[in-house]
Amino acid sequence: GDSVTQMEGPVTLSEEAFLTINCTYTATGYPSLFWYVQYPGEGLQLLLKATKADDKGSNKGFEATYRKETTSFHLEKGSVQVSDSAVYFCALTNTNAGKSTFGDGTTLTVKP
Amino acid sequence: DAGITQSPRYKITETGRQVTLMCHQTWSHSYMFWYRQDLGHGLRLIYYSAAADITDKGEVPDGYVVSRSKTENFPLTLESATRSQTSVYFCASSDPGLARGDTQYFGPGTRLTVL
Repeated sequence: GDSVTQMEGPVTLSEEAFLTINCTYTATGYPSLFWYVQYPGEGLQLLLKATKADDKGSNKGFEATYRKETTSFHLEKGSVQVSDSAVYFCALTNTNAGKSTFGDGTTLTVKP
Repeated sequence: DAGITQSPRYKITETGRQVTLMCHQTWSHSYMFWYRQDLGHGLRLIYYSAAADITDKGEVPDGYVVSRSKTENFPLTLESATRSQTSVYFCASSDPGLARGDTQYFGPGTRLTVL
């Protein structure tokens, strides 16, 4: 079946540092790939997505590129802020399934 | 209010009691989902529904019951609560028929404690 493996946390960075959270996937067909973010005490919300190979999703300074050859969708941000502290989930949705498969989440803490 | 809501937000109950968690969405999305979130396990799918009166088991369905008589509501019932069901429960919805249909929209969660 489908699976998502993401970098284990927690990750602690200083403000303005560069962020990478790795995500790799296993899936048949051509899934859509997502990054969701969960702020403390809240539900998950979409951060960015990509629907086909070589697509780049971007939002709020975060980026991720759909790499089919390496089955990866790594999340990056050039300069993190304290307000980026949250849990980040990589996910995929396969065609016609409706369901999504989530990674275990990576907790990011950004210190001033 | 538009969106997806869950009630109650917090619930404390005792072992053996029946508990129902409510989920309501105003978008008329066809798909709805229930997840539980536990430390070290990420999100685990309990049940999902592709449309009214159509439900299916997810990864961890034991001890839970769902129904979906109306598109907008998807209640989750713990028939006889156990301590292992202490968790944060999230409801979500999506609609694959829409342009961004495979994105899931999450409610704020219900924190359930079973004593």
